[in-house]
Amino acid sequence: DARVTQTPRDKVTEMGQEVTMRCQPILGHNTVFWYRQTMMQGLELLAYFRNRAPLDDSGMPKDRFSAEMPDATLATLKIQPSEPRDSAVYFCASGLGVTDTQYFGPGTRLTVL
Amino acid sequence: DAKTTQPTSMDCAEGRAANLPCNHSTISGNEYVYWYRQIHSQGPQYIIHGLKNNETNEMASLIITEDRKSSTLILPHATLRDTAVYYCIVRVKSNTGKLIFGQGTTLQVKP
Repeated sequence: DARVTQTPRDKVTEMGQEVTMRCQPILGHNTVFWYRQTMMQGLELLAYFRNRAPLDDSGMPKDRFSAEMPDATLATLKIQPSEPRDSAVYFCASGLGVTDTQYFGPGTRLTVL
Repeated sequence: DAKTTQPTSMDCAEGRAANLPCNHSTISGNEYVYWYRQIHSQGPQYIIHGLKNNETNEMASLIITEDRKSSTLILPHATLRDTAVYYCIVRVKSNTGKLIFGQGTTLQVKP
């Protein structure tokens, strides 16, 4: 059955390095969301796109985070430079529209040393 | 979006119905009730949603009180694989995609 895929599943990096996380939404879904989950903050929305255009990125630290959709089958979340406080699980979700049900990927577990 | 209140944790015997309550006393008329769950180390999984009528699908039933101030998610025959954190979310179906996840209820299904 159709699923959201995310790569890599696990990433360990050192502080200051660039990190790129990738997401492939379910085919035909035009809305993509990025969430971050930590023990302290729980699940937080970072940004979301509709038809590849960013709609809201107010939850994202602008100085080091960037999110893009180079095409309809790929969404990316970059952190440059990474910091230990960025350690978290990053989830991508997709849906048929902004108001539609969101289907989540398995997440990327990021550890910044 | 309205705030929700859920018990921190619940236990359920395997094979029995699991009834997970959610209080959303400040819900507005155009806000839907959504339920997601998150099994350990996996992404959140959509379960069901409703506006004012009760809903049922292959996973669960959602019972919303007439005044819409609370709801109950029912897993009719809980299995060990239903052990997860269950999130009740109230959301306006408008132009915003934001799902605000609270702390949820940790459901432990026991043999």
